[in-house]
Amino acid sequence: DQQVKQNSPSLSVQEGRISILNCDYTNSMFDYFLWYKKYPAEGPTFLISISSIKDKNEDGRFTVFLNKSAKHLSLHIVPSQPGDSAVYFCAAFPSGSARQLTFGSGTQLTVLP
Amino acid sequence: EAQVTQNPRYLITVTGKKLTVTCSQNMNHEYMSWYRQDPGLGLRQIYYSMNVEVTDKGDVPEGYKVSRKEKRNFPLILESPSPNQTSLYFCASSRTSFNEQYFGPGTRLTVT
Repeated sequence: DQQVKQNSPSLSVQEGRISILNCDYTNSMFDYFLWYKKYPAEGPTFLISISSIKDKNEDGRFTVFLNKSAKHLSLHIVPSQPGDSAVYFCAAFPSGSARQLTFGSGTQLTVLP
Repeated sequence: EAQVTQNPRYLITVTGKKLTVTCSQNMNHEYMSWYRQDPGLGLRQIYYSMNVEVTDKGDVPEGYKVSRKEKRNFPLILESPSPNQTSLYFCASSRTSFNEQYFGPGTRLTVT
């Protein structure tokens, strides 16, 4: 049973528009969430994170929103650029000392010029 | 340049032939981890290490071994590979277990 779910395998948006990638989780012990971006033939790279004590974190064009009551987070990219085309993984850490990162299945974002 | 390196990048082998995938980081990170990526399943953790000589199982440890004798190296060992271990493998490291992880470029393994 996947504890971190990304229900949209793919998403296409026009350049300049907003991209919204969604992620749901089931484990209430998760307290730190991260987004990673992955290009083909490369390892994932860290993009942005949010702690469960916050509901929003912003870094340039990227904003992550966390809704703890709904166990849902989203990544907003504004404005989207063709270079943002990649697979985006949502990931979560549980609280406690043995911190294992649990990943979602990923969403392929395609930004059309 | 700060990086995580993995070798080999590509490997085709036969069932039962022992193999090792090496992983090395030059950032003096305490935490290292191995993942496998399979279609529709995302990245699943195989093993992780909180520090030298400290390792523990992740979500899918069966069929794999690891060791952490030095801080910079964390090899993944498949004693008797099977076709269901055909996958894309990533090594990762972070300063501590509480920090974001840096990933290597991946190793594409095919077991026939």
